[in-house]
Amino acid sequence: DIVMTQSPDSLAVSLGERATINCKSSQSVLYSSNNKNPLAWYQQKPGQPPKLLIYWASTRESGVPDRFSGSGSGTDFTLTISSLQAEDVAVYYCQHYYSNPITFGQGTRLEIK
Amino acid sequence: EVQLVESGGGLVQPGGSLRLSCAASGFAFSSHAITWLRQAPGKGLEWVSGISGSGGSTYYADSVKGRFTISRHNSKNTLYLQMNSLRAEDTAVYYCAKDPTTTTTGYFDDWGQGTLVIVSS
Repeated sequence: DIVMTQSPDSLAVSLGERATINCKSSQSVLYSSNNKNPLAWYQQKPGQPPKLLIYWASTRESGVPDRFSGSGSGTDFTLTISSLQAEDVAVYYCQHYYSNPITFGQGTRLEIK
Repeated sequence: EVQLVESGGGLVQPGGSLRLSCAASGFAFSSHAITWLRQAPGKGLEWVSGISGSGGSTYYADSVKGRFTISRHNSKNTLYLQMNSLRAEDTAVYYCAKDPTTTTTGYFDDWGQGTLVIVSS
């Protein structure tokens, strides 16, 4: 199974500042056939189901604010929130869909400093 | 508006069975793969099982293979998860989630609110 490891486990950032969450896979998840990375990012607020933010490593889901962006390729990926808003407090998960079983990172808790 | 509504959770003894349902609306149900995922209390997300839009292809995590069965009734817009031989470690909120395509591409653009399964004596 591909192991997804996120860093840090928790993060405190001031309002308006940049937040960066990293995700590393135990093997490359790059599809050589189309040069795409099957990597998604989700946001989960307390008592709610996860919400899709990013797929194919860098494609923003419809309706997601453009302060959220995804980058990376191969084994190293990053979710960046360019200017943190109060409503961004949540746990963030990365997930690969390169092969079965699909696996998730352990989550990164984002708080306001 | 896409809606996924899970039901069927509850308290069950170890070794018991439970059937979860996921009622879907607001999209062409048979055109989308659907997946069950779970989240143990205070823990992260775990993929459990997926099924293609036609129901012809099914996939299971090793942790549930041989105990859980996924199925769908496209004319009723409903997904099911039959869970047998339940263990304490199956305790979790179970979510159904929609894949954007017919086959299981593996990311999920809509999720239900979840149903809680507690396995305890």
